[in-house]
Amino acid sequence: AQSVTQPDIHITVSEGASLELRCNYSYGATPYLFWYVQSPGQGLQLLLKYFSGDTLVQGIKGFEAEFKRSQSSFNLRKPSVHWSDAAEYFCAVSASGTYKYIFGTGTRLKVLA
Amino acid sequence: DTGVSQNPRHKITKRGQNVTFRCDPISEHNRLYWYRQTLGQGPEFLTYFQNEAQLEKSRLLSDRFSAERPKGSFSTLEIQRTEQGDSAMYLCASSADWEETQYFGPGTRLLVL
Repeated sequence: AQSVTQPDIHITVSEGASLELRCNYSYGATPYLFWYVQSPGQGLQLLLKYFSGDTLVQGIKGFEAEFKRSQSSFNLRKPSVHWSDAAEYFCAVSASGTYKYIFGTGTRLKVLA
Repeated sequence: DTGVSQNPRHKITKRGQNVTFRCDPISEHNRLYWYRQTLGQGPEFLTYFQNEAQLEKSRLLSDRFSAERPKGSFSTLEIQRTEQGDSAMYLCASSADWEETQYFGPGTRLLVL
């Protein structure tokens, strides 16, 4: 069955520190991959996406993610975290033609001043 | 374009009452999706429309749930005889025919007392 795993439920980092959020997926073929961010009580904002091509993708707000087929991973990174990055982050996958997303359970990021 | 909008943003109801939520997608988007997000979880797919046709429904969408998109523009999600387990955030998303990326609205948070 298709699934997405975000192993870290909570992560705390200091402002200015680097960040890596993990995402592993289980899928029959190469999926389309997404990272979304959700602030409290809000909807989801797209950070970045991977469909094909260069495995390192750049997104908004200084985020990037790397697709590693051999590890079935799509980890999100940011070199220097800002206090405003505190939110919940969701990894999602879909396959061409299926239209629906499968989301992970999310990682809640806390940023210390 | 202001993006996907959802109304109401919050709804409190008593068990057994019916509720209806509305979603207005981005104007040129033919595809519309509903997801449900419970506390501490990622969004789960409920249903999907291509124009006015409802093409897929999740097993999560019980008989008490019905979704419509009568003119291929806005959509409504109705829950009949609400139960406390229906308390969740209901998210709507839309996408264009030519892309896989879904754009999410701010959600409607339902609390069933």
